[in-house]
Amino acid sequence: DIQLTQSPSFLSASVGDRVTITCRASQGIGSYLAWYQQKPGKAPKLLIYAASTLQSGVPSRFSGSGSGTEFTLTISSLQPEDFATYYCQQLNSYPLTFGGGTKVEIK
Amino acid sequence: EVQLLESGGGLVQPGGSLRLSCAASGFTFSSYAMSWVRQAPGKGLEWVSAISGSGGSTYYADSVKGRFTISRDNSKNTLYLQMNSLRAEDTAVYYCAIKGGIAVAGSFDIWGQGTMVTVSS
Repeated sequence: DIQLTQSPSFLSASVGDRVTITCRASQGIGSYLAWYQQKPGKAPKLLIYAASTLQSGVPSRFSGSGSGTEFTLTISSLQPEDFATYYCQQLNSYPLTFGGGTKVEIK
Repeated sequence: EVQLLESGGGLVQPGGSLRLSCAASGFTFSSYAMSWVRQAPGKGLEWVSAISGSGGSTYYADSVKGRFTISRDNSKNTLYLQMNSLRAEDTAVYYCAIKGGIAVAGSFDIWGQGTMVTVSS
């Protein structure tokens, strides 16, 4: 099974900061990686698919990069509505797996 | 509008059974693979199971294999998760999600609101 390791697991940042979250896969998954945002009590929301493609309606301050085993999610200028938990997910092979999550909190 | 509405959650004793349903609307249900994802209280997301559009292929996480069964009724636009031999560690919010097609590289682009399952005596 493919394991995904996200880092950091917790991040404290201020509005306007540039934020980067890393997701490492235990084996190569090409570009079969998605990023989701989840706010408390809500279902996850797809932000990025195929490692770097922005889902329709998602602000351009979000971007994704990487391929193979190392991926990043970057928020160029953190906004108040971005404080949430972020998850990566591999879609290369079953069983599909999620990373452990990164909680982004207000400094 | 595309919608997914889960139901069937509740309190069940260890060793018991429960069947979750996910009613879909606003899209051609049979054209899409579907999945169940769960989230234990205060924990991260865990993929549980998936099923192809036709229902002919199914996939499970090791943690539920042999206990849970995913199925679908394309005539009713409904996805199911039959959960047997439930354990305390199955306590979670269960979400159904559309495994999107090529347009989103198979990502989960639409999610339901979730249904809570509590396994406790």
